Amino acid sequence: DSGVTQTPKHLITATGQRVTLRCSPRSGDLSVYWYQQSLDQGLQFLIQYYNGEERAKGNILERFSAQQFPDLHSELNLSSLELGDSALYFCASSVGPEGAGGYTFGSGTRLTVV
Amino acid sequence: DAKTTQPTSMDCAEGRAANLPCNHSTISGNEYVYWYRQIHSQGPQYIIHGLKNNETNEMASLIITEDRKSSTLILPHATLRDTAVYYCIVIGRKANAGKSTFGDGTTLTVKP
Repeated sequence: DSGVTQTPKHLITATGQRVTLRCSPRSGDLSVYWYQQSLDQGLQFLIQYYNGEERAKGNILERFSAQQFPDLHSELNLSSLELGDSALYFCASSVGPEGAGGYTFGSGTRLTVV
Repeated sequence: DAKTTQPTSMDCAEGRAANLPCNHSTISGNEYVYWYRQIHSQGPQYIIHGLKNNETNEMASLIITEDRKSSTLILPHATLRDTAVYYCIVIGRKANAGKSTFGDGTTLTVKP
C-alpha cells in the first residue's frame, strides 16, 4: 500500500457519458498529479494541483477537468467520453509543489469506454 | 524540461546484474534523478534517486557520472520479478513542476 488511494479500481461506461475518478493523496502530501496511460504507452501527464490550486497543466483535453478539495483529495472528471479515452488513469502525490522527494503513485483506475 | 533518453528494451539473465542507462544531458544543478519501475499495469514504484553522489538501497544502486549528464541503475542480482518498465526522470526545477516526463522507459526482460 503506497498510501495513495484511487477509486474506483475499474470503471466501464458508454461513449458520451461522464465519470469521476477520485484520488486521496498520501498523508502529508499537498500535491496531486494525474496521469493517463493508454494501452502499451507511456505515462502522459495531465494536470497537477498543489494545496487546492492548479499548478501545472499537461496535455489535458478540454473535456477533462480536475479539482483538489480542502481535504486535499482530488477528482478527475471526464466527460463526453470517447472510445479513445479508455486507459489507466494514475494519481500521484508529493509533499511539495515541485515534486521534491519524488512521487508516490496510486494503483490506478482502469477506465473502459464501450 | 530536462529530458531523459533511455533504450527501448533490454534483456538480462536471471541472477546477473542488470545495468540500465539513462541520458539526461540537460539536467540542471538543482535537479535530482529519480528511477521508477512499473510492473505490468500497476502504479509506478519508486526505486531510488540521487543528486550527484552514487546511491544504494535495498533495491538497487544508482551511479551518476561526474558531469551528471547520465546515470545507470544497477539491479545487482536480477530476478524474474524484476521484469518491468523502468523510468528515469528528472525532478526539481520549479518552472517544470509536475511536468517531469516519464517517456517510454526501458522494458527490462529478465530471462531464466
